[in-house]
Amino acid sequence: QLQLQESGPGLVKPSETLSLTCTVSGGSISSSSYYWGWIRQPPGKGLEWIGSIYYSGSTYYNPSLKSRVTISVDTSKNQFSLKLSSVTAADTAVYYCARGVLRYFDWLLPRGEFDYWGQGTLVTVSS
Amino acid sequence: NFMLTQPHSVSESPGKTVTISCTRSSGSIASNYVQWYQQRPGSAPTTVIYEDNQRPSGVPDRFSGSIDSSSNSASLTISGLKTEDEADYYCQSYDSSNLWVFGGGTKLTVL
Repeated sequence: QLQLQESGPGLVKPSETLSLTCTVSGGSISSSSYYWGWIRQPPGKGLEWIGSIYYSGSTYYNPSLKSRVTISVDTSKNQFSLKLSSVTAADTAVYYCARGVLRYFDWLLPRGEFDYWGQGTLVTVSS
Repeated sequence: NFMLTQPHSVSESPGKTVTISCTRSSGSIASNYVQWYQQRPGSAPTTVIYEDNQRPSGVPDRFSGSIDSSSNSASLTISGLKTEDEADYYCQSYDSSNLWVFGGGTKLTVL
């Protein structure tokens, strides 16, 4: 059974960089049939896609966050990571990592639903 | 970019049928597939519909999805409602510039 687990600090100071890692177990992050993503949810609000990465290292970011986001993959550790710089209180959210089923490419962009999600980790931005 | 608009909340009785709408603000609803996610309180989302009307294995056939080009909207229909269906439901699609777009979510109450 595939499992994803987010890890990282639960409290980050304003203007600093939020860093999270998602460890994948029960399956390989290098499979060409899937891609991997980060989604966040502010308390009491809806879902926001942050970005996705393919095992090859190709990345796809939400344009509204692109200038602050870096997603990377470490196939040797079966992990992928999120860095979000210059955080503010508006970045306080539950952050989820998830696996995307690669159904097709649309203009070189991976498309498909997220079928496995981590439990989520709350990151609070506060001094 | 476009927005996906969902009703804030819907409610229905056990055993009945409920439909949740998801209206695309610009561009054709048929131009990109729509997914639906269920999120129970305190849990991560799970997929109940992908590619407009496909059910993942394990999702009961009480869940169905459709799109309507005339209203430029997608719909999630849940028949034979059970108390366990009480959750938030999010629609999701894509735009041409890479972005995943989520609807604002609909709280389903089964009472």
